[in-house]
Amino acid sequence: GEDVEQSLFLSVREGDSSVINCTYTDSSSTYLYWYKQEPGAGLQLLTYIFSNMDMKQDQRLTVLLNKKDKHLSLRIADTQTGDSAIYFCAEKDNFNKFYFGSGTKLNVKP
Amino acid sequence: GAVVSQHPSWVICKSGTSVKIECRSLDFQATTMFWYRQFPKQSLMLMATSNEGSKATYEQGVEKDKFLINHASLTLSTLTVTSAHPEDSSFYICSARDLMRGGELFFGEGSRLTVL
Repeated sequence: GEDVEQSLFLSVREGDSSVINCTYTDSSSTYLYWYKQEPGAGLQLLTYIFSNMDMKQDQRLTVLLNKKDKHLSLRIADTQTGDSAIYFCAEKDNFNKFYFGSGTKLNVKP
Repeated sequence: GAVVSQHPSWVICKSGTSVKIECRSLDFQATTMFWYRQFPKQSLMLMATSNEGSKATYEQGVEKDKFLINHASLTLSTLTVTSAHPEDSSFYICSARDLMRGGELFFGEGSRLTVL
């Protein structure tokens, strides 16, 4: 499968911005996704970006895509304690298969 | 948004027994569902693609006789872990594709299997 990589941990203070980074290898990715997973739960789709876009903003979430460098990031503005979770980036290839990163555990300190 | 439900959420079984996990798409029809396995602090590993009315497609390294998948209807796929052993203990997550929503993938809540 394709490689999708993320850093494992990120710790921020409440109210700060969080930036979670992801790199991928498949240049033919059509869509890239960010999912949130809370303890013991399944994945919740947060947002996604089409591969011909550079940026997408959705309330507190901003997704940046650098297709040349195959780099995706998720910025969470005004991070809250309720944002503490594991965040997965994922890419969808031309065969509609999803490949997930290892997940970044976001810890928000009060 | 679309809802995908898994049952049971938690299951504990004895070694050697078989366990069935259900994945249902509650408000849409899903010709394709996916089964993932997640180890602690690791990403999701795609196990197999479940296709309604036909055989599942298994990823390399996944034993199809060990993990039986049945997709008998457009809203239900089942994963049966046969002759479970402690190393099969894991978090199993299903997802279903909603073609009416551009093929967006919706995930179930996951099922935690513990084999004693």
